[in-house]
Amino acid sequence: DGGITQSPKYLFRKEGQNVTLSCEQNLNHDAMYWYRQDPGQGLRLIYYSQIVNDFQKGDIAEGYSVSREKKESFPLTVTSAQKNPTAFYLCAGGTYNQPQHFGDGTRLSIL
Amino acid sequence: GNSVTQMEGPVTLSEEAFLTINCTYTATGYPSLFWYVQYPGEGLQLLLKATKADDKGSNKGFEATYRKETTSFHLEKGSVQVSDSAVYFCALERNTGGFKTIFGAGTRLFVKA
Repeated sequence: DGGITQSPKYLFRKEGQNVTLSCEQNLNHDAMYWYRQDPGQGLRLIYYSQIVNDFQKGDIAEGYSVSREKKESFPLTVTSAQKNPTAFYLCAGGTYNQPQHFGDGTRLSIL
Repeated sequence: GNSVTQMEGPVTLSEEAFLTINCTYTATGYPSLFWYVQYPGEGLQLLLKATKADDKGSNKGFEATYRKETTSFHLEKGSVQVSDSAVYFCALERNTGGFKTIFGAGTRLFVKA
C-alpha cells in the first residue's frame, strides 16, 4: 500500500543521547516535512525538504537535524541539544498545492 | 504573514447535534484551504479541501465553503456521531512559491452518546 511510514511508533531517549526517527514514503512526493506536536497544541514545522539533497529550517529547527539523500527517505535526528524533546513527531509528504499525507507518528519520551 | 486561526476547544456536543468549527485565515495570494482530522494516536488525515473562492469542500457529511470576502473556511456537520470525536485542523497552502502548509492550532471535538 502507498503511504508514509514512520518508525518506531514509540522511542525513548536517555540524557545526552541522539536518536533518529525514520520516515519513508512510496507516494513519489517531492516534498517531505517534519512536524512536532505537543499535547493540546497544533503542529509546528521543524524541517522540510522540497528536493533531494536540499532542506530548509522550519519554525523550531534548533536541536534537530535532517538529511534527504534519496526521495523516499527523510530521517529526523533529535540531538542532545534539544532540551525538551518529549513530543509526538509527525512526518508528511506532499506536492505543491495538494494536501499532505501524514504518517502515524512517533512518540518520543525521555528516560 | 500567513496564518490560520481556529476556535478554541474543546467542543462538546451530544450525538446528532449540529457542529460548527470556525476558521479564519490571513494570506497573500490565493491559498488552497484544507480541513484535516486527527484521531487519537494517529497522524492527520485530509477531511476536505477547497482551492478557490466559493468552492465547497465536502466529505463524510462535513462541509466547508471558501469565503474570500470574510477570509473564512468554517467546518460544519448537520448531525455528529460519537465516532466524529477527534481533533480538527484548518490549514492553508500558500500559492506564492514553496510547499509550506500553515496549520491552525486544532480544535478538539468530544461527542457524547
